[in-house]
Amino acid sequence: DVKVTQSSRYLVKRTGEKVFLECVQDMDHENMFWYRQDPGLGLRLIYFSYDVKMKEKGDIPEGYSVSREKKERFSLILESASTNQTSMYLCASSLVRNTEAFFGQGTRLTVV
Amino acid sequence: GQQLNQSPQSMFIQEGEDVSMNCTSSSIFNTWLWYKQDPGEGPVLLIALYKAGELTSNGRLTAQFGITRKDSFLNISASIPSDVGIYFCAAPDPFGNQFYFGTGTSLTVIP
Repeated sequence: DVKVTQSSRYLVKRTGEKVFLECVQDMDHENMFWYRQDPGLGLRLIYFSYDVKMKEKGDIPEGYSVSREKKERFSLILESASTNQTSMYLCASSLVRNTEAFFGQGTRLTVV
Repeated sequence: GQQLNQSPQSMFIQEGEDVSMNCTSSSIFNTWLWYKQDPGEGPVLLIALYKAGELTSNGRLTAQFGITRKDSFLNISASIPSDVGIYFCAAPDPFGNQFYFGTGTSLTVIP
């Protein structure tokens, strides 16, 4: 079974802090994604990566950056956390185009 | 990004009843996916469909890839309390690397 693991289930951070969310997949998938999920807004794509060191902006990249130094690991960085970044963050991976995505368990981030 | 049109938004049913939900789009897709998400958890893949007209089952769940390639359906038979959650459809962009998602169907099963 594919396993996508996010480093934290719950995080509480202060406004202005730099926050790192880590995601690791164990199935040699090419594509990795970061989404945030908010009530009434569904899943919104922040960034995705289709190869090591490659990244593409999604629908809401402002205030975020990403890093993919190794194929199995995709990190989301909040450069200076703000309260409007309080959300559920979901990492996902897929093998190649047109195949299914597998999600991690989610990180509930609260910025105070 | 584009969202898929999913209905109904919510369902309240008695234990033992069957459930149907669907997703439609104005675009053609090569793959349709169905997920379930429990509160506070990440979505879990239930069924993946790869061919127009395909009918696939996973236990009490059955999903179909519409013949027009613009829609998909999920049925749950003989619902039980642990079926409670949010179900949503998804489809990978045929020309890119992104996914489109339905808005979700919230299912409540009354014992």
